[in-house]
Amino acid sequence: AQTVTQSQPEMSVQEAETVTLSCTYDTSENNYYLFWYKQPPSRQMILVIRQEAYKQQNATENRFSVNFQKAAKSFSLKISDSQLGDTAMYFCAFLPTSGTYKYIFGTGTRLKVLA
Amino acid sequence: GAVVSQHPSWVICKSGTSVKIECRSLDFQATTMFWYRQFPKQSLMLMATSNEGSKATYEQGVEKDKFLINHASLTLSTLTVTSAHPEDSSFYICSAQTSSTDTQYFGPGTRLTVL
Repeated sequence: AQTVTQSQPEMSVQEAETVTLSCTYDTSENNYYLFWYKQPPSRQMILVIRQEAYKQQNATENRFSVNFQKAAKSFSLKISDSQLGDTAMYFCAFLPTSGTYKYIFGTGTRLKVLA
Repeated sequence: GAVVSQHPSWVICKSGTSVKIECRSLDFQATTMFWYRQFPKQSLMLMATSNEGSKATYEQGVEKDKFLINHASLTLSTLTVTSAHPEDSSFYICSAQTSSTDTQYFGPGTRLTVL
């Protein structure tokens, strides 16, 4: 069975600093997608970044970047220049390309950015 | 683009009554919509997947007679919680996906409280 593990239940970072959230997954598939979603206190799920497994280049979206290590099945999220608005729950999600298009979510990491 | 709305955002009902939650994709056509349930400080739990014009596919352990899902058009899916009980109190989130993308776009969620 495919699983997604986020081993850091809670993290904190000082404003303007950099923080890395970890995510590992288990799959026997070669093609798939990986996502990071942010859920702030409003509870609206917001797409942060997306990675296609067949692309070796790490995805980047402004202050957010990933370190995708396919062989290690690791997909960490780096947030640079952390802002107070980055305080949220962050979920890593895995989507296989075969079968139904159902996400497999990790348990989440609660990130608090400190002023 | 890719905006999903949910209505209502918050509903309180008496035990034994039914509640309908609407999920709309506002600026795109959603061939597939997903319904999730989220307990406090936990990840999203997939309840069912619905494709326009087809019967919903429910996850194991989800009562299809209790959680009725209708995906009548490419922009609207509804979740009806029938004969609601206090244990059905939760945060319900929908998401929508087009056939041409792997990304799910989430609604803002509906908080259901059953008295």
